Order: sequence, then structure tokens, then C-alpha cells
Amino acid sequence: KAGVTQTPRYLIKTRGQQVTLSCSPISGHRSVSWYQQTPGQGLQFLFEYFSETQRNKGNFPGRFSGRQFSNSRSEMNVSTLELGDSALYLCASSLERFAGYTFGSGTRLTVV
Amino acid sequence: GENVEQHPSTLSVQEGDSAVIKCTYSDSASNYFPWYKQELGKGPQLIIDIRSNVGEKKDQRIAVTLNKTAKHFSLHITETQPEDSAVYFCAATSTLGRLYFGRGTQLTVWP
Repeated sequence: KAGVTQTPRYLIKTRGQQVTLSCSPISGHRSVSWYQQTPGQGLQFLFEYFSETQRNKGNFPGRFSGRQFSNSRSEMNVSTLELGDSALYLCASSLERFAGYTFGSGTRLTVV
Repeated sequence: GENVEQHPSTLSVQEGDSAVIKCTYSDSASNYFPWYKQELGKGPQLIIDIRSNVGEKKDQRIAVTLNKTAKHFSLHITETQPEDSAVYFCAATSTLGRLYFGRGTQLTVWP
């Protein structure tokens, strides 16, 4: 059974640009969550989507947004990139909303 | 919101010894407690989880215990092997649907 697939694996962007990251969940999983991982802040919750609706949002500025499609695939977008947005962005999917989260390998975003 | 604290931040053990990582949480509504292992360049991998209606769970060399009254839970790894070396994260969640993570424990197993 295929795991959670995140693309691209690595990304280098310039300050001020925008970026879109993609996540394909495990087949049958309808819940998709996004997390940001940095050495300083650890793993922080961005948002959760379930059945194409955002159910939960973390404490990130409005420059961070996301969406989920009818096939459960999800994208997150960061606009007007800042140096501090450099991080590993992780996507997790689960069959039920509150347990059994499986993470992808992440997208390593570097903002220069 | 929930606050999860994890100790120790680094742990070194000899191959074959046991390793214990401890976490505390603040929100009594938390009811699901997973543990993740993260190797370099990879995403966190779920290794074991426990729900609040269970006090202990084992899976081969790995066990997790939960004390709801004291709001703490622990990961126990027995007969450690060099391939157990990684960063381990505890987490807690409730029906809010988000995981709150500890800061991680770098486990090193020396051969």
C-alpha cells in the first residue's frame, strides 16, 4: 500500500515569491493535516482538512493557506515568502480524524 | 491549548540496554497519544500509540504506558539495537484533531 506522497522533496525560493506544496494521502484516508518542522520551534500544526473542508487551523499568518480536493489530495500555499519560512513541511493523513496519522517524507523549503 | 513536555532531549545507551522516554501533557481532554520515530531525511514514522482508556500497550520490543491521573506517558524500548538510533517524538491529541508534539529525544544506541 502506497504511503503519503509529498512533492516536491526539495524547493529553493526567493523572498517574496510564493510556493505550492502537494500531498497525496494514503488511499482511503480523508483527513489530511499539515505541519511545519524547524529546529527552533519543533513540529507545529498548520491546518487540517477533512472531506474538502478546513476543520482546524494553527497559529500561522494568513500567508499560509491550503485546500483539499475531492480525491483527498491536498495542497498548501505560502505567499510572500520570508526567510523564516524555511522549514520541512510535513503532510499527514489518517483514516479517522483523531488518530493514526501517517506522515510523508516532507518537502524541504529553503527561502533565500 | 495542549502543552506536551518531553524528557530527556538526548539519550545514549549501550546496545542491548533499555531506553525510556517520558512525556507529560496538560490538557485532561487529550485522549490519544502516539509516538513517532524520525530518521534523518525522513518524515516521522508512527511506532506505537495508546488511547486514554488503556494503561499499557506492547509491540515486540516497544511499550507505552499511560497514567491519566498524573498526565504522563512513557515509551520503553528494550534490547536496543543500533538501528533504533533516531529522534523520537511523543504527541497528544484530543477531539480538536491536531497533534501537539514534544520537542523530541535524540536516542543514540552504541554498539
